[in-house]
Amino acid sequence: EPEVTQTPSHQVTQMGQEVILRCVPISNHLYFYWYRQILGQKVEFLVSFYNNEISEKSEIFDDQFSVERPDGSNFTLKIRSTKLEDSAMYFCASQRGGNQPQHFGDGTRLSIL
Amino acid sequence: KQEVTQIPAALSVPEGENLVLNCSFTDSAIYNLQWFRQDPGKGLTSLLLIQSSQREQTSGRLNASLDKSSGRSTLYIAASQPGDSATYLCAVGGGYQKVTFGTGTKLQVIP
Repeated sequence: EPEVTQTPSHQVTQMGQEVILRCVPISNHLYFYWYRQILGQKVEFLVSFYNNEISEKSEIFDDQFSVERPDGSNFTLKIRSTKLEDSAMYFCASQRGGNQPQHFGDGTRLSIL
Repeated sequence: KQEVTQIPAALSVPEGENLVLNCSFTDSAIYNLQWFRQDPGKGLTSLLLIQSSQREQTSGRLNASLDKSSGRSTLYIAASQPGDSATYLCAVGGGYQKVTFGTGTKLQVIP
């Protein structure tokens, strides 16, 4: 069964550094999402992406964050200047259509030192 | 601002018991509602999706209902098994809407 893959599984970065988290969504899916989950807290929506542009974004998704779908297969989340509070598990999800189930990757654990 | 609440936060039941998990949301103008399970250290696995025009969905031992007017959904698990032990999350939104997750119900099924 096709699945969403995320790399790396764990990323350790110094505060202030840029980080790029990578996702390969399921190939025929049209909607793409990034979420984060701080340890012990609930899953939080960051951004949704459709038709090569951002559909919705949360208050968390400020100017330090950006998303790209550079080559039609990868979907990336960039954090320009990481802060300690960016430490979390980041999940990518994709969806065939707006009323289809979202499929999640296993996540990237981001640790900011 | 949409808020999603799940009750109870944790539940422990003996194997074989039927159980109900609850989800409530404050804004009834939702696109759809999805139930997920999350195993420790893992991503989320979709269980059931209910479109805003639907009242319920069933998959195997799982049945989810949606009452938009009262802002409630329930997930019914029949004949629970130890493998059902996980955290269950509901989420509203999707498509063109922001997605809001509940805090989850941690389920333990005791053999």
